[in-house]
Amino acid sequence: AQKITQTQPGMFVQEKEAVTLDCTYDTSDQSYGLFWYKQPSSGEMIFLIYQGSYDEQNATEGRYSLNFQKARKSANLVISASQLGDSAMYFCAMEWYSSASKIIFGSGTRLSIRP
Amino acid sequence: DVKVTQSSRYLVKRTGEKVFLECVQDMDHENMFWYRQDPGLGLRLIYFSYDVKMKEKGDIPEGYSVSREKKERFSLILESASTNQTSMYLCASSLVGRDSSYNEQFFGPGTRLTVL
Repeated sequence: AQKITQTQPGMFVQEKEAVTLDCTYDTSDQSYGLFWYKQPSSGEMIFLIYQGSYDEQNATEGRYSLNFQKARKSANLVISASQLGDSAMYFCAMEWYSSASKIIFGSGTRLSIRP
Repeated sequence: DVKVTQSSRYLVKRTGEKVFLECVQDMDHENMFWYRQDPGLGLRLIYFSYDVKMKEKGDIPEGYSVSREKKERFSLILESASTNQTSMYLCASSLVGRDSSYNEQFFGPGTRLTVL
C-alpha cells in the first residue's frame, strides 16, 4: 500500500535561512509523482512543485527545490532564503498511475519563520 | 486561471441533518475529489470521480455519498450528519494525465463544517 510520511509536525526557522522539510514515501509502483503543497492560514492549497519518478534531475521552482532520492524513497522540499510569507502548513503528496489519478497526502509540517 | 469554488466557507449543522457540500470547477477537468482535513492527519480522500456519474471510494467513505451529474459539479452528501464529521472539507479537480504526465490538483477554498 502507498504511504506518505512527514515526521516534522512543526518547525521554526530564522528569516533568510534555508529550510528542509522532510517527506518519505512507500510504494511498490514504478511510476508515480510527488508533489508539495503549501497551505497558508487562509486555508487554500497552493501547488508548489512536482517530481516524477522517472525524472533524473531534481525539480526546481524559484526558491523551491525538491531533493529527490529515489533509492531512499525521500522527496524533501528545500526552501532557500526563507521569507515571513513562507509561514504555512506544507503537505507532501504522492500520485500513482496504476490507479485513476489517486493521490495521498502526508500529515503536514507547520513551518514558522521568525523575523 | 483554474477556479474551484465551494458553496460555503463555514457551515453549522445539527446531528442527524442531511448536509450537501457543493463544488464547481470551471476548467473542464475530468477528475474531482473530496477530502477532509483534520489536524495531525493531513488530507484524507473521501471520494473521487473521474467522469460524470462515475465515482470511487477513497480512504474514508463511510458516512458520505457523492453525486456527479454534470462534469463541472461534484457534490458531497452527509446523509445524517454526526459530530465526528466536524472537519474542514476540501474539493479539488485535475485533468486526466497519461503515464508520465502529472495531475496537479487545484483546490477550492474549503468548507469548515461544524456538526453540533
